Amino acid sequence: DAGVIQSPRHEVTEMGQEVTLRCKPISGHDYLFWYRQTMMRGLELLIYFNNNVPIDDSGMPEDRFSAKMPNASFSTLKIQPSEPRDSAVYFCASRTRSNEQFFGPGTRLTVL
Amino acid sequence: GNSVTQMEGPVTLSEEAFLTINCTYTATGYPSLFWYVQYPGEGLQLLLKATKADDKGSNKGFEATYRKETTSFHLEKGSVQVSDSAVYFCALIQGAQKLVFGQGTRLTINP
Repeated sequence: DAGVIQSPRHEVTEMGQEVTLRCKPISGHDYLFWYRQTMMRGLELLIYFNNNVPIDDSGMPEDRFSAKMPNASFSTLKIQPSEPRDSAVYFCASRTRSNEQFFGPGTRLTVL
Repeated sequence: GNSVTQMEGPVTLSEEAFLTINCTYTATGYPSLFWYVQYPGEGLQLLLKATKADDKGSNKGFEATYRKETTSFHLEKGSVQVSDSAVYFCALIQGAQKLVFGQGTRLTINP
């Protein structure tokens, strides 16, 4: 299996622009997670899905952030409009009920 | 709620030294426990796990034993290498809930 796939790996954008991060989970995994990692705040869970349904979005920082999972093999995290404080590495992860969670390589976002 | 506390870093050791990174947890019932490792520029990878009391997880020379009496899951390695330099995260999960991570411990091994 190819593992969790994220795109793009790096994104540089200007403040105010819309940013869309993409994730393809491991086939057969029914949980999908979006995390954000920064030096200041560490690893933060933003939102997670079970069977394509959002379960807990309490970590989403504000209305500028939204996430969707239209099917079992694809999810997006969108930031609109982006701000410099959104600069971070964003990770997607997936797992089954067996609890072994696999992380993608991350998207490094820089907002100028 | 559930929580995980790790020893504060950063930790710096010389090659071939003995490593311990402390991890304690707070949870009701019997969570599963994990150690994840993050190498520079990469995502987190599962290093080892234990699903019940007294279980020992092991991988790549690392070990951790699930101690319910002390609510601990300390990570150990007998002889570290430069290639072990990374950030290590302790984590727990109960049922079908989300993983709860510790804050991470940065480890640097000097040759």
